[in-house]
Amino acid sequence: QKEVEQNSGPLSVPEGAIASLNCTYSDRGSQSFFWYRQYSGKSPELIMFIYSNGDKEDGRFTAQLNKASQYVSLLIRDSQPSDSATYLCAVNTGGFKTIFGAGTRLFVKA
Amino acid sequence: NAGVTQTPKFRILKIGQSMTLQCTQDMNHNYMYWYRQDPGMGLKLIYYSVGAGITDKGEVPNGYNVSRSTTEDFPLRLELAAPSQTSVYFCASSSDRTQPQHFGDGTRLSIL
Repeated sequence: QKEVEQNSGPLSVPEGAIASLNCTYSDRGSQSFFWYRQYSGKSPELIMFIYSNGDKEDGRFTAQLNKASQYVSLLIRDSQPSDSATYLCAVNTGGFKTIFGAGTRLFVKA
Repeated sequence: NAGVTQTPKFRILKIGQSMTLQCTQDMNHNYMYWYRQDPGMGLKLIYYSVGAGITDKGEVPNGYNVSRSTTEDFPLRLELAAPSQTSVYFCASSSDRTQPQHFGDGTRLSIL
């Protein structure tokens, strides 16, 4: 079982819709959870981070964490074509290493 | 407001050559990381450092070496380049192991 798993996609949504990206992790001791956006040919940039169970909202983005079920999700409301990118889920288990998922490709159709 | 700076941006090496990828950060972060990203794949940790003089291996350290003589700089050395090391290399830093990482723009390395 991979330590951090994401559906590779592509996930295709129409402009204005809600995009839902999911991530599961294997280490129950994980403490910090991150979502990064990566445009083609660019470096990852931080979108959201969450440490506690529940929801965290920032503009059009909402991160949801459920430690009991070991999943973290990212919702993008009012999706725009500029949101088309690969979204990387990253999990820190409390040690020195943060494990990255392979990413989900999102395509927002205009 | 430079953040994490990587040089060079692109490089082509011949098999067996050596080179150093440079990484410097101006955020006074103690934690620094080197990743490689192959096409369509996630980030694989090569080496990390928790402070000047302290480094440790990540998931894929073979064929690479690092040093950390200052807080700002964390160079990655490739010895005897092999085609399997063709990849995009990212350097990152963070203030703490549980905090978000800030990435440089990456170095695209091809070994022919």
